[in-house]
Amino acid sequence: DQQVKQNSPSLSVQEGRISILNCDYTNSMFDYFLWYKKYPAEGPTFLISISSIKDKNEDGRFTVFLNKSAKHLSLHIVPSQPGDSAVYFCAASDVKTSYDKVIFGPGTSLSVIP
Amino acid sequence: DTGVSQDPRHKITKRGQNVTFRCDPISEHNRLYWYRQTLGQGPEFLTYFQNEAQLEKSRLLSDRFSAERPKGSFSTLEIQRTEQGDSAMYLCASSLARGFLSTDTQYFGPGTRLTVL
Repeated sequence: DQQVKQNSPSLSVQEGRISILNCDYTNSMFDYFLWYKKYPAEGPTFLISISSIKDKNEDGRFTVFLNKSAKHLSLHIVPSQPGDSAVYFCAASDVKTSYDKVIFGPGTSLSVIP
Repeated sequence: DTGVSQDPRHKITKRGQNVTFRCDPISEHNRLYWYRQTLGQGPEFLTYFQNEAQLEKSRLLSDRFSAERPKGSFSTLEIQRTEQGDSAMYLCASSLARGFLSTDTQYFGPGTRLTVL
Protein backbone atom coordinates (compact mmCIF):
# COMPACT_ATOMS: atom_id res chain seq x y z
CA ASP A 1 0.00 0.00 0.00
CA GLN A 2 1.58 3.23 -1.19
CA GLN A 3 1.40 5.83 1.54
CA VAL A 4 2.75 8.66 -0.60
CA LYS A 5 1.38 9.02 -4.11
CA GLN A 6 2.44 11.11 -7.05
CA ASN A 7 -0.11 10.39 -9.72
CA SER A 8 1.62 12.24 -12.54
CA PRO A 9 4.68 10.29 -13.71
CA SER A 10 5.77 13.17 -15.92
CA LEU A 11 5.17 16.85 -16.56
CA SER A 12 6.35 19.22 -19.30
CA VAL A 13 6.41 22.97 -18.83
CA GLN A 14 7.68 25.87 -20.89
CA GLU A 15 10.61 27.82 -19.51
CA GLY A 16 9.42 30.81 -17.48
CA ARG A 17 6.04 29.29 -16.68
CA ILE A 18 4.90 27.76 -13.40
CA SER A 19 5.48 24.08 -12.66
CA ILE A 20 3.05 22.48 -10.22
CA LEU A 21 3.86 19.04 -8.88
CA ASN A 22 1.24 17.27 -6.80
CA CYS A 23 1.43 14.72 -4.02
CA ASP A 24 -1.16 12.90 -1.94
CA TYR A 25 -0.64 10.88 1.21
CA THR A 26 -2.79 8.43 3.11
CA ASN A 27 -1.20 8.22 6.55
CA SER A 28 -2.69 10.86 8.83
CA MET A 29 0.24 10.39 11.24
CA PHE A 30 2.64 12.09 8.82
CA ASP A 31 3.60 15.48 10.17
CA TYR A 32 6.62 16.47 8.12
CA PHE A 33 6.83 16.64 4.36
CA LEU A 34 9.75 17.06 2.02
CA TRP A 35 10.53 17.41 -1.64
CA TYR A 36 13.70 15.97 -3.11
CA LYS A 37 15.08 16.50 -6.59
CA LYS A 38 17.08 13.88 -8.44
CA TYR A 39 19.25 14.23 -11.51
CA PRO A 40 20.35 11.13 -13.45
CA ALA A 41 23.34 9.31 -11.93
CA GLU A 42 23.06 11.30 -8.70
CA GLY A 43 21.36 10.69 -5.39
CA PRO A 44 18.29 12.72 -4.39
CA THR A 45 18.99 16.18 -3.02
CA PHE A 46 16.81 17.94 -0.49
CA LEU A 47 14.82 20.83 -1.93
CA ILE A 48 12.26 22.13 0.56
CA SER A 49 10.20 20.92 3.48
CA ILE A 50 7.10 21.83 5.46
CA SER A 51 5.85 20.95 8.90
CA SER A 52 2.21 20.05 9.43
CA ILE A 53 1.76 23.15 11.57
CA LYS A 54 2.17 25.28 8.45
CA ASP A 55 0.28 25.42 5.20
CA LYS A 56 2.93 27.14 3.10
CA ASN A 57 6.69 27.36 2.95
CA GLU A 58 8.63 29.37 0.42
CA ASP A 59 12.27 29.28 -0.59
CA GLY A 60 13.19 31.39 -3.57
CA ARG A 61 11.46 30.03 -6.66
CA PHE A 62 10.10 27.04 -4.74
CA THR A 63 6.93 27.04 -2.66
CA VAL A 64 5.31 24.06 -1.01
CA PHE A 65 1.64 24.14 -0.05
CA LEU A 66 0.07 21.72 2.42
CA ASN A 67 -3.63 20.93 2.71
CA LYS A 68 -3.91 18.62 5.70
CA SER A 69 -7.64 18.06 5.43
CA ALA A 70 -7.21 16.82 1.88
CA LYS A 71 -3.93 15.05 2.68
CA HIS A 72 -2.44 16.86 -0.30
CA LEU A 73 0.66 18.89 -0.94
CA SER A 74 2.04 20.59 -3.97
CA LEU A 75 5.34 22.09 -5.09
CA HIS A 76 5.26 25.24 -7.18
CA ILE A 77 8.31 26.32 -9.16
CA VAL A 78 8.13 29.85 -10.52
CA PRO A 79 9.61 30.67 -12.95
CA SER A 80 10.63 27.26 -14.25
CA GLN A 81 14.13 26.95 -15.69
CA PRO A 82 15.68 24.24 -17.90
CA GLY A 83 17.98 23.30 -15.00
CA ASP A 84 14.90 22.32 -13.02
CA SER A 85 14.42 19.33 -15.31
CA ALA A 86 14.75 16.36 -12.96
CA VAL A 87 12.71 13.78 -11.09
CA TYR A 88 10.95 15.24 -8.06
CA PHE A 89 10.12 13.02 -5.12
CA CYS A 90 7.54 13.91 -2.52
CA ALA A 91 8.31 12.39 0.88
CA ALA A 92 6.75 12.27 4.31
CA SER A 93 7.69 11.28 7.82
CA ASP A 94 6.19 10.90 11.26
CA VAL A 95 8.51 12.86 13.51
CA LYS A 96 6.92 11.35 16.61
CA THR A 97 8.74 8.10 15.89
CA SER A 98 11.91 10.02 16.89
CA TYR A 99 13.92 9.51 13.76
CA ASP A 100 13.79 10.52 10.15
CA LYS A 101 12.31 7.48 8.48
CA VAL A 102 11.12 9.00 5.27
CA ILE A 103 8.53 7.48 2.96
CA PHE A 104 8.99 8.50 -0.65
CA GLY A 105 6.51 8.74 -3.48
CA PRO A 106 7.28 7.28 -6.91
CA GLY A 107 8.41 10.60 -8.35
CA THR A 108 7.37 12.98 -11.12
CA SER A 109 9.73 13.63 -14.00
CA LEU A 110 9.71 17.34 -14.85
CA SER A 111 10.90 18.58 -18.21
CA VAL A 112 11.29 22.31 -18.65
CA ILE A 113 11.35 23.16 -22.32
CA PRO A 114 13.51 26.13 -23.36
CA ASP B 1 34.42 17.02 -0.97
CA THR B 2 32.62 16.04 2.21
CA GLY B 3 29.47 14.55 0.72
CA VAL B 4 28.19 11.01 1.10
CA SER B 5 30.16 8.55 -1.00
CA GLN B 6 29.29 5.02 -2.06
CA ASP B 7 31.42 2.29 -3.51
CA PRO B 8 31.17 0.70 -5.98
CA ARG B 9 28.97 2.80 -8.22
CA HIS B 10 28.03 -0.22 -10.33
CA LYS B 11 28.08 -3.93 -9.60
CA ILE B 12 27.16 -6.76 -11.93
CA THR B 13 26.99 -10.20 -10.40
CA LYS B 14 25.63 -13.63 -11.12
CA ARG B 15 22.67 -15.02 -9.25
CA GLY B 16 23.74 -16.77 -6.08
CA GLN B 17 26.85 -14.66 -5.49
CA ASN B 18 27.39 -12.44 -2.46
CA VAL B 19 27.93 -8.71 -2.83
CA THR B 20 28.95 -5.98 -0.40
CA PHE B 21 28.46 -2.24 -0.75
CA ARG B 22 30.12 0.49 1.24
CA CYS B 23 28.83 3.89 2.31
CA ASP B 24 30.92 6.69 3.78
CA PRO B 25 28.63 9.31 5.33
CA ILE B 26 29.38 12.96 5.95
CA SER B 27 31.94 12.79 8.73
CA GLU B 28 30.03 14.41 11.60
CA HIS B 29 26.71 12.72 10.80
CA ASN B 30 25.50 10.24 13.40
CA ARG B 31 22.54 8.81 11.48
CA LEU B 32 22.90 6.59 8.45
CA TYR B 33 20.19 5.11 6.26
CA TRP B 34 20.04 2.55 3.48
CA TYR B 35 17.37 2.71 0.79
CA ARG B 36 16.60 0.67 -2.29
CA GLN B 37 15.20 2.20 -5.45
CA THR B 38 13.76 0.30 -8.38
CA LEU B 39 12.76 1.69 -11.76
CA GLY B 40 9.80 4.05 -11.58
CA GLN B 41 9.71 4.04 -7.79
CA GLY B 42 10.98 6.29 -5.09
CA PRO B 43 13.61 5.18 -2.59
CA GLU B 44 12.32 2.53 -0.15
CA PHE B 45 13.65 2.50 3.40
CA LEU B 46 15.73 -0.56 4.28
CA THR B 47 17.47 0.14 7.56
CA TYR B 48 18.75 2.89 9.84
CA PHE B 49 21.69 3.40 12.21
CA GLN B 50 22.12 5.84 15.03
CA ASN B 51 25.90 5.81 15.48
CA GLU B 52 26.80 2.11 15.46
CA ALA B 53 23.39 0.84 16.59
CA GLN B 54 21.03 -0.55 13.97
CA LEU B 55 17.68 0.68 15.23
CA GLU B 56 15.22 -0.47 12.58
CA LYS B 57 15.05 -2.88 9.70
CA SER B 58 12.33 -2.84 7.08
CA ARG B 59 10.40 -5.97 6.16
CA LEU B 60 12.03 -5.51 2.76
CA LEU B 61 15.32 -6.53 4.38
CA SER B 62 15.21 -10.31 4.15
CA ASP B 63 17.57 -12.62 6.03
CA ARG B 64 19.91 -12.48 3.04
CA PHE B 65 20.60 -8.82 3.75
CA SER B 66 22.83 -7.58 6.53
CA ALA B 67 24.08 -4.12 7.33
CA GLU B 68 26.75 -2.97 9.71
CA ARG B 69 28.22 0.27 10.91
CA PRO B 70 31.08 -1.00 13.06
CA LYS B 71 32.49 2.20 14.51
CA GLY B 72 29.65 4.55 13.83
CA SER B 73 31.40 5.82 10.72
CA PHE B 74 31.18 3.97 7.40
CA SER B 75 28.57 1.30 6.78
CA THR B 76 28.40 -1.86 4.69
CA LEU B 77 25.39 -3.57 3.18
CA GLU B 78 25.86 -7.21 2.24
CA ILE B 79 23.49 -9.29 0.14
CA GLN B 80 24.03 -13.03 0.26
CA ARG B 81 22.89 -15.45 -2.44
CA THR B 82 21.74 -12.65 -4.71
CA GLU B 83 18.54 -13.05 -6.72
CA GLN B 84 17.45 -11.26 -9.87
CA GLY B 85 14.87 -9.39 -7.83
CA ASP B 86 17.68 -7.75 -5.89
CA SER B 87 18.62 -5.73 -8.97
CA ALA B 88 18.13 -2.11 -7.97
CA MET B 89 19.87 1.10 -7.00
CA TYR B 90 21.02 1.00 -3.38
CA LEU B 91 21.17 4.45 -1.83
CA CYS B 92 22.84 5.54 1.36
CA ALA B 93 21.97 8.73 3.21
CA SER B 94 23.25 10.39 6.36
CA SER B 95 22.03 13.11 8.69
CA LEU B 96 23.03 14.88 11.87
CA ALA B 97 20.53 14.34 14.64
CA ARG B 98 20.11 17.56 16.56
CA GLY B 99 17.83 16.05 19.15
CA PHE B 100 14.90 13.82 19.90
CA LEU B 101 11.99 14.32 17.52
CA SER B 102 14.16 16.48 15.30
CA THR B 103 13.74 16.61 11.58
CA ASP B 104 17.17 16.38 10.10
CA THR B 105 17.87 16.72 6.41
CA GLN B 106 19.13 13.52 4.86
CA TYR B 107 22.00 13.82 2.41
CA PHE B 108 22.14 11.07 -0.17
CA GLY B 109 25.05 9.44 -1.88
CA PRO B 110 25.07 8.70 -5.63
CA GLY B 111 24.02 5.10 -5.08
CA THR B 112 25.30 1.68 -6.11
CA ARG B 113 23.52 0.14 -9.05
CA LEU B 114 23.30 -3.64 -8.69
CA THR B 115 22.51 -5.89 -11.63
CA VAL B 116 22.00 -9.58 -10.91
CA LEU B 117 22.22 -11.77 -14.01
